[in-house]
Amino acid sequence: QVQLVQSGTEMKKPGASVKVSCKASGYTFTSYGINWVRQAPGQGLEWMGWISPYNGNTHYAQKFQGSVTLTTDTSTSTAYMDLRSLRSDDTAVYYCARDHGTDEAFDIWGQGTMVTVSS
Amino acid sequence: DIVMTQTPLSSPVTLGQPASISCRSSQSLVHSDGNTYLSWLQQRPGQPPRLLLYKISNRFSGVPDRFSGSGAGTDFTLKISRVEAEDVGVYYCMQGTQFPQTFGQGTKLEIK
Repeated sequence: QVQLVQSGTEMKKPGASVKVSCKASGYTFTSYGINWVRQAPGQGLEWMGWISPYNGNTHYAQKFQGSVTLTTDTSTSTAYMDLRSLRSDDTAVYYCARDHGTDEAFDIWGQGTMVTVSS
Repeated sequence: DIVMTQTPLSSPVTLGQPASISCRSSQSLVHSDGNTYLSWLQQRPGQPPRLLLYKISNRFSGVPDRFSGSGAGTDFTLKISRVEAEDVGVYYCMQGTQFPQTFGQGTKLEIK
C-alpha cells in the first residue's frame, strides 16, 4: 500500500542539526511532491516546505529559509529534511506528507518524527 | 500569508448527532485557475493528520460519506451527519490556493 515511513525519535542539543528521513513505497516516488509539516507539542500544524522528487525543485516557507534544506534520493525513494541551528522552540513532531496530485492537498502522511531540542 | 480561522475551537457532540465546523479565510481562496483549494484534515489522538476532503467537498478515498464539505470564497464548513466515537479528534482546514499553505488552528471534537 501507499505509505511514507519516517525515521525515529531524535534528541538534540541547541545549535545542533537534525536530518529526518521519509521513505516512500507503493507508488512512483517521482510523480508526487513531498511536503514537510511540523507540530509543536499541543499546537497546530505548520507548513515548512515542499520538494519535487522529479526535479529537486523546492519551496520553503519564509520562516524556514536558510535553516531547512529538503532533498530526495530517488534511488531509495526517500525524502530528507535537514534542520540546522536547532533551538528549543524547534521541539516538535515533524511530518512528511505527499501531494494529492495537483489538488493542493496532502493525501498520505508519514507517522511523524519527534525531535526534542534540549540542553 | 492567508490566515485561516476556525470556529468553534471545541465542539462537544452527542453520539449520533450532527456536528459542524466553520473555517474562514482572510482572503478569497478562489485560485486564478478557477479552483478553490480548501481541504479538511482529521487528526485522531496520537495519530498523524488524515485527509478527509479536498477542493471544498471532494471526499478522499475511504472517507465515510457522513463527512461533507461546503462553502465558497472565504467561508467553508465541514459537516458530520451523525457523529461516531471514532470521529473524536482535532479537525483542521488548510488552504493551498496561495503560497505558503496555511492551516486553521484546529477544532477539537469530543463526545459529550
